[in-house]
Amino acid sequence: DIQMTQSPSTLSTSVGDRVTITCRASQNINSWLAWYQQKPGKAPKLLIYKASNLESGVPSRFSGSGSGTQFTLTISSLQPDDFATYYCQQYHSYSYTFGQGTRLEVK
Amino acid sequence: EVQLVESGGGLVQPGGSLRLSCAASRFTFNDYWMAWVRQTPGKGLEWVASIKYDGSEMFYVDSVKGRFTISRDNAKYSLYLQMDSLRDADTAVYYCARDDRGPWPFDSWGQGTLVTVFS
Repeated sequence: DIQMTQSPSTLSTSVGDRVTITCRASQNINSWLAWYQQKPGKAPKLLIYKASNLESGVPSRFSGSGSGTQFTLTISSLQPDDFATYYCQQYHSYSYTFGQGTRLEVK
Repeated sequence: EVQLVESGGGLVQPGGSLRLSCAASRFTFNDYWMAWVRQTPGKGLEWVASIKYDGSEMFYVDSVKGRFTISRDNAKYSLYLQMDSLRDADTAVYYCARDDRGPWPFDSWGQGTLVTVFS
């Protein structure tokens, strides 16, 4: 199975900050990488697919990059609504796997 | 807006069975792959199973193969997960999710249903 490793696990940050979250795959997944946002008690929400494509309705402050085994999610200017947990997911094959999550907390 | 509503969760003893259901609406159900994804505090998100739009192909995570069965009834706009030989490790919130074309990210999710396996 393809393992997905996110870093950091927790990030203390403030409104207005530029935030970068990293996701590493254990093998080449080309661009078959998605990012989700999850708030407590809610289902995950798809933000980005195919590494860099913004899902409809997602604010443009979110962006994704990378290919192969290294990927990043960037929030250009953190807003109050963005404090949440973020997950990467590979869909290179039918055995989908998720990263362990990165929680954004208020500094 | 796509709607997915799970039901059927609850308390069950190890070795027991449970059947989850997911009622879909506001989209053409038989055009989409569907999946079950579960979440535990300790292990985060874990994909469980996927089924093709016509039910002809199913895929499972290794830990549930031979114990869980995913199925669908396109006439009823419903997705199911039959869970047998349940273990403590199966305790989780189970989400129904829509997969555009398999394999593809999950663009819509239900609210989740809690399954607790306890002895």
